[in-house]
Amino acid sequence: GENVEQHPSTLSVQEGDSAVIKCTYSDSASNYFPWYKQELGKRPQLIIDIRSNVGEKKDQRIAVTLNKTAKHFSLHITETQPEDSAVYFCAAPGGSYQLTFGKGTKLSVIP
Amino acid sequence: GAGVSQSPSNKVTEKGKDVELRCDPISGHTALYWYRQSLGQGLEFLIYFQGNSAPDKSGLPSDRFSAERTGGSVSTLTIQRTQQEDSAVYLCASSPTSGQGYGYTFGSGTRLTVV
Repeated sequence: GENVEQHPSTLSVQEGDSAVIKCTYSDSASNYFPWYKQELGKRPQLIIDIRSNVGEKKDQRIAVTLNKTAKHFSLHITETQPEDSAVYFCAAPGGSYQLTFGKGTKLSVIP
Repeated sequence: GAGVSQSPSNKVTEKGKDVELRCDPISGHTALYWYRQSLGQGLEFLIYFQGNSAPDKSGLPSDRFSAERTGGSVSTLTIQRTQQEDSAVYLCASSPTSGQGYGYTFGSGTRLTVV
């Protein structure tokens, strides 16, 4: 099955700085890579996703990059704000129908 | 419905009792997934349904766990003879169909505490 590794497990940045979270996956059959944000006590919510036919996707202050050759993808958040503080999860499906999630990155944005 | 609904939101049960957790997916979503999230941990896959069928039950931790889905809609996750290690948040998610390329919409979860 798919194995997803996510780094770092915790990340602290000053407000206004950028944050980068990286994930690697093992199954070359994966062609869809979503990112979820989970605020404390709340449900995970999809914030951005990328398909394997593109290398980068942007949505305002967040972007995701994908390197299929190296089997890694990254989440970039620019101009971080306190409301960006949350746990972020990456995921990949492998050859299965269900997503395998990384273990999460706790992002703290310090005002 | 407008979102994925789960009930109850919180459940405290005594060790050895059976519990049922309910998930009502977004109307029209044929794929439904159950995950478990222990305190401060990631998302552990349990089972998924396409329609009423469960092609992949590989994530169920033991034979005390079972799930069903009826009418292609509501799903119930049953845990028999609960143990303290079953304490976790049980999350349900749905997507328009199974297969790659479809993001999940999660419910708010059921927080299960076994005492």
